[in-house]
Amino acid sequence: GAVVSQHPSWVICKSGTSVKIECRSLDFQATTMFWYRQFPKQSLMLMATSNEGSKATYEQGVEKDKFLINHASLTLSTLTVTSAHPEDSSFYICSASISLLRDSPYNEQFFGPGTRLTVL
Amino acid sequence: KNQVEQSPQSLIILEGKNCTLQCNYTVSPFSNLRWYKQDTGRGPVSLTIMTFSENTKSNGRYTATLDADTKQSSLHITASQLSDSASYICVVHPHPGFQKLVFGTGTRLLVSP
Repeated sequence: GAVVSQHPSWVICKSGTSVKIECRSLDFQATTMFWYRQFPKQSLMLMATSNEGSKATYEQGVEKDKFLINHASLTLSTLTVTSAHPEDSSFYICSASISLLRDSPYNEQFFGPGTRLTVL
Repeated sequence: KNQVEQSPQSLIILEGKNCTLQCNYTVSPFSNLRWYKQDTGRGPVSLTIMTFSENTKSNGRYTATLDADTKQSSLHITASQLSDSASYICVVHPHPGFQKLVFGTGTRLLVSP
């Protein structure tokens, strides 16, 4: 099956520093990658949609200057949390989509294992 | 507004017992519905995916059903195991080609020995 990895799996940083999280599709090419944030006991919240070679589309309320997304290749997307603060502490999950036919109901997103970010 | 509601919010069952989780959605038009299992501190893992024309889909001890008329789905877990303890999330894909998913809040299942 399609495998998506994330690195690091967890990170602790000081307030004011920047943290980069990588998301890779290991055995397939993903034209679209998604970044989610999940707070304890809550569901996943979409932060942004990233297409290879183009600017990410951010959801309402997500600061694009704070959460920098780069999707430089079909197998790698990165999320950089700039000037992190304790309220940015969360579980960040990426997913990658295999685009079959444009209107295929089986277009599926495969999720990474997540990155736990703790900002002190 | 597209919404996905799940019930119960949490559930405790004894090992070996069966259970059924419910999902009601208002998403329309509707492309497919997915059930995911999410272990604590891990990303979601797909259990089943059903298009609007499918009524049931099985994956081992997991069986999902779908009634597109009433906009309801269920996930039935047979002969539960301790490793089934996790959150189960119902996710609806609103429209072909538009990939923003609508997530339910999940059901937290605890299987006790």
